[in-house]
Parts: sequence; structure tokens; C-alpha cells
Amino acid sequence: DAMVIQNPRYQVTQFGKPVTLSCSQTLNHNVMYWYQQKSSQAPKLLFHYYDKDFNNEADTPDNFQSRRPNTSFCFLDIRSPGLGDAAMYLCATSREGSTDTQYFGPGTRLTVL
Amino acid sequence: RKEVEQDPGPFNVPEGATVAFNCTYSNSASQSFFWYRQDCRKEPKLLMSVYSSGNEDGRFTAQLNRASQYISLLIRDSKLSDSATYLCVVNSDNDMRFGAGTRLTVKP
Repeated sequence: DAMVIQNPRYQVTQFGKPVTLSCSQTLNHNVMYWYQQKSSQAPKLLFHYYDKDFNNEADTPDNFQSRRPNTSFCFLDIRSPGLGDAAMYLCATSREGSTDTQYFGPGTRLTVL
Repeated sequence: RKEVEQDPGPFNVPEGATVAFNCTYSNSASQSFFWYRQDCRKEPKLLMSVYSSGNEDGRFTAQLNRASQYISLLIRDSKLSDSATYLCVVNSDNDMRFGAGTRLTVKP
């Protein structure tokens, strides 16, 4: 059974057109993360939620926003996608945080035209 | 200097070979350490956590040297199915830092 679900798996958007990526989890984990991964690069942490507490990485552009309306769901909003935002976006969860295993969703591959 | 550095490879080895990957990290306050495996166009999956005393899981052995800020992964008796990218992950207070990964190809 899927534990971390991401929708859609593939997303195509136009330059400057807002897009929202979705993540849900059935693990009831407290922490949810969003990563950006470009080809042949490490996943880069954008932000994470510890419960409702939002933690933004210092170098995450303002163009990226996130919402976590409840324990199960977390959204990544890209307000004005640029060509450089084309990447795989990975959602992950962990039970409590720093010492816990992270479980990743299958990712959403974003293409910006 | 990158926070987590790995040799990108690729490592091309024959089946049955032993191969070792290294990883260094810059944050001495890091608290937990992991090796993840990522197949092409798939999500990372936990391979193993890395404990201070070193730990083994079947053909895989992980070592941590806090003084040198160094982590290693040893794979013995390589299988074709071990072909993947291996990501070193270092965590401090929910601040997860990934290495760029080391690519391994095991050939018949």
C-alpha cells in the first residue's frame, strides 16, 4: 500500500503559470518535507513542517510556498514557475524528525514550457 | 565547500566485486546519518542508518567516523540489482542534507 502519495506524477505548466503539487501520507507522521531534485543532483530541501510548524530553508526562493492543512496533506505552490524550476519534486515524511527514517513519495516531475 | 560531499563515480564493477563509497560532511553538530539508494527516475529509499559503532546489514556495512566527519558504505558480493545511485544523508535538527550521490553499475 502506498504510504506517501504524490499527485500528479507528471505536471506540465507554462512559464509563469501557477502550479500546485500535492502530497498525502497514510503514516500519520508529524514531519513532512518538500525537496527539489534536478538531474544528477542531490535532493535539495525546500522546507518542512513539524506538525503545523513551518520551517523554510534560507535559500528557498519566495516563489515557492507550502501549505499543510492537516496531518495527512501538504501542498507545494509555485507561484510563477520559471524554466529553472523544472525538476523532480519529492515529498517525504518522518515520524518525529532528525533521527528518523524519511519515507519518500514517488515524486512529481515538473516540466515548464 | 559542499555540506555533504561524495565521489560521483560512476563506479563500474563486475558481479561479485566489493565496492566502497565515501562521504564527508561539514557540520560537526550533525546528529544522524543515513545511506539511501535511488534508482533511475525513482524516489530515494532508505538503505540503512549509520550508527557510531558501525553496522552491517547482510552484504552492506556502514561506518561513521565523527572525528573525521566521514561516512562509508561497503558493498560485498555485488549483485546486478545493486546498480543504483547511493546517496549519503546527514541530518541535524531536521535539516537534511543530501550528497549528490555515487553512481554504481554492476556488470555481468
